[in-house]
Amino acid sequence: DTEVTQTPKHLVMGMTNKKSLKCEQHMGHRAMYWYKQKAKKPPELMFVYSYEKLSINESVPSRFSPECPNSSLLNLHLHALQPEDSALYLCASSQEPDRVNEQFFGPGTRLTVL
Amino acid sequence: GQQLNQSPQSMFIQEGEDVSMNCTSSSIFNTWLWYKQEPGEGPVLLIALYKAGELTSNGRLTAQFGITRKDSFLNISASIPSDVGIYFCAGHPKNMNRDDKIIFGKGTRLHILP
Repeated sequence: DTEVTQTPKHLVMGMTNKKSLKCEQHMGHRAMYWYKQKAKKPPELMFVYSYEKLSINESVPSRFSPECPNSSLLNLHLHALQPEDSALYLCASSQEPDRVNEQFFGPGTRLTVL
Repeated sequence: GQQLNQSPQSMFIQEGEDVSMNCTSSSIFNTWLWYKQEPGEGPVLLIALYKAGELTSNGRLTAQFGITRKDSFLNISASIPSDVGIYFCAGHPKNMNRDDKIIFGKGTRLHILP
């Protein structure tokens, strides 16, 4: 298995809803990432998990809450989002957090906040 | 902060033409990565480069890690319609104190005219 999967593919939510995005990889990678991507822009890093521990939080608002239940799974819990949070949310993984190596991306979740 | 200058911003070419795009920085990089992203999908890794001067091919794609370590280029030979998309360069600057972060260029949008 050489891919990163993400669910759901699309999500529409109101500003008072609570929802979660899910990401899974079975490549044995020990670093996992959440990125946010607006239209026609490059991905922006939100969080990094290294060996299932949060290692980077790029000053993301607390309405985004990441969770790494095990080495294969990464969740992003969403609560009280704003319309400007609408974007493509990408998950990625890489083999080892301790050295620079390639990041592999999932297909993304297209989030719309009404 | 670190910046990658990617050019051109967009290209309109005829099918069958060769394409060249590049990324430059004022800082030295240890790693260069080239990704392609199609609408509604996540970025797909095309080529990874780890050594100055390295020249790597992947089918009709060729990328090089510049000798100065401050630039990289991607060439596509004999373009076909499925080459349409946004191409991002990404890299790890030498002076970044974390191995699990990369920074992205702003992308080159490739259009192929019929």
